[in-house]
Amino acid sequence: DAGITQSPRYKITETGRQVTLMCHQTWSHSYMFWYRQDLGHGLRLIYYSAAADITDKGEVPDGYVVSRSKTENFPLTLESATRSQTSVYFCTSGGEAYEQYFGPGTRLTVT
Amino acid sequence: QKEVEQNSGPLSVPEGAIASLNCTYSDRGSQSFFWYRQYSGKSPELIMSIYSNGDKEDGRFTAQLNKASQYVSLLIRDSQPSDSATYLCAVNPLGVGNNRKLIWGLGTSLAVNP
Repeated sequence: DAGITQSPRYKITETGRQVTLMCHQTWSHSYMFWYRQDLGHGLRLIYYSAAADITDKGEVPDGYVVSRSKTENFPLTLESATRSQTSVYFCTSGGEAYEQYFGPGTRLTVT
Repeated sequence: QKEVEQNSGPLSVPEGAIASLNCTYSDRGSQSFFWYRQYSGKSPELIMSIYSNGDKEDGRFTAQLNKASQYVSLLIRDSQPSDSATYLCAVNPLGVGNNRKLIWGLGTSLAVNP
């Protein structure tokens, strides 16, 4: 089915572990974005990508790494998870009219 | 710092009434404006986009844009309990290197009471 998917939907991990959140879109959109959403802070941009092999930092990039070897995939890696990274993570892809379409989200808990 | 501001609410309206949600933005050169609806525990869903001054209607939803006053609003006519959600305003500011990023408001919580 066309759209944008994220996996896993829920993840519990321990402090210090590496975690990778996956994002896949079927529209062939050039732009993709990673956000975290926290109560009181709203949506904050972590990283974004304008095309395969082109990525750039957003507002809160520390502790995160991204890659984009294929247009349809945009994984987000937490190199060494911390409790402050407990959050809901959303991946989006950008349409031609500057709108963004959200994936279903990943709820990450770091213990 | 480019900002988008919304009243956090909660905005409470009776069923069948008009709900009015407002959003102001700081970047005068902004070109694209979006309203998203987010149900509790779900991801935001695009419900309206507007690019030029005036009104844009889609079913029970009307988006209004006034670039001179730097505000965009969303009207929901004949509000239903199913409209109870948080509504996010997002703005695409103009600028070199913007790279299609959106600036997000914190959202307004709407409760429609039966």
